Amino acid sequence: AAGVIQSPRHLIKEKRETATLKCYPIPRHDTVYWYQQGPGQDPQFLISFYEKMQSDKGSIPDRFSAQQFSDYHSELNMSSLELGDSALYFCASSLTLGGAEQYFGPGTRLTVT
Amino acid sequence: QKEVEQDPGPLSVPEGAIVSLNCTYSNSAFQYFMWYRQYSRKGPELLMYTYSSGNKEDGRFTAQVDKSSKYISLFIRDSQPSDSATYLCAMSVRDDKIIFGKGTRLHILP
Repeated sequence: AAGVIQSPRHLIKEKRETATLKCYPIPRHDTVYWYQQGPGQDPQFLISFYEKMQSDKGSIPDRFSAQQFSDYHSELNMSSLELGDSALYFCASSLTLGGAEQYFGPGTRLTVT
Repeated sequence: QKEVEQDPGPLSVPEGAIVSLNCTYSNSAFQYFMWYRQYSRKGPELLMYTYSSGNKEDGRFTAQVDKSSKYISLFIRDSQPSDSATYLCAMSVRDDKIIFGKGTRLHILP
């Protein structure tokens, strides 16, 4: 079965640089969620989109922005990167807003040096 | 106090044993309860999803929710070395953001 696709899988950036993470949800899933997982931590919710509109916002820094496109893929844009942004970034998708069954992608490991 | 509390372990049990993993929570508005399994450097994998109090069984896995006590459990029967992973309980109020527990590291000893 098709799963959530994330790219790139690994990304190394320097401080103050910009990064863009991409997420392709499971086909027919219209809701996308972004989570950040620091080393040894549980995933923390960043932001979600339903039908290309932001549906909820968590602890996402102002330096980060995200959007969902007409084909339902989503991109997380991160600017002025800081060392503390180094983490695993997961995207999850669900069949619709109202479906608590979220399926996670493999994650993008971002390292900021 | 964190909304969801989970013992981080590690928990080591011999192969074939029954494993019991637990979480408590403080927000009575939580309606959806999930268990995810996460292998090292991989994304969380949805194992079980329940909406109401009671038990739900899927193969070797049983999820139990007690809303009155704000307590959820995951039982793994006939545990296998391949079950060694971090198990995260997760909850949500409606259908959007999931609040995770810290995760319990489980080791099944051959």
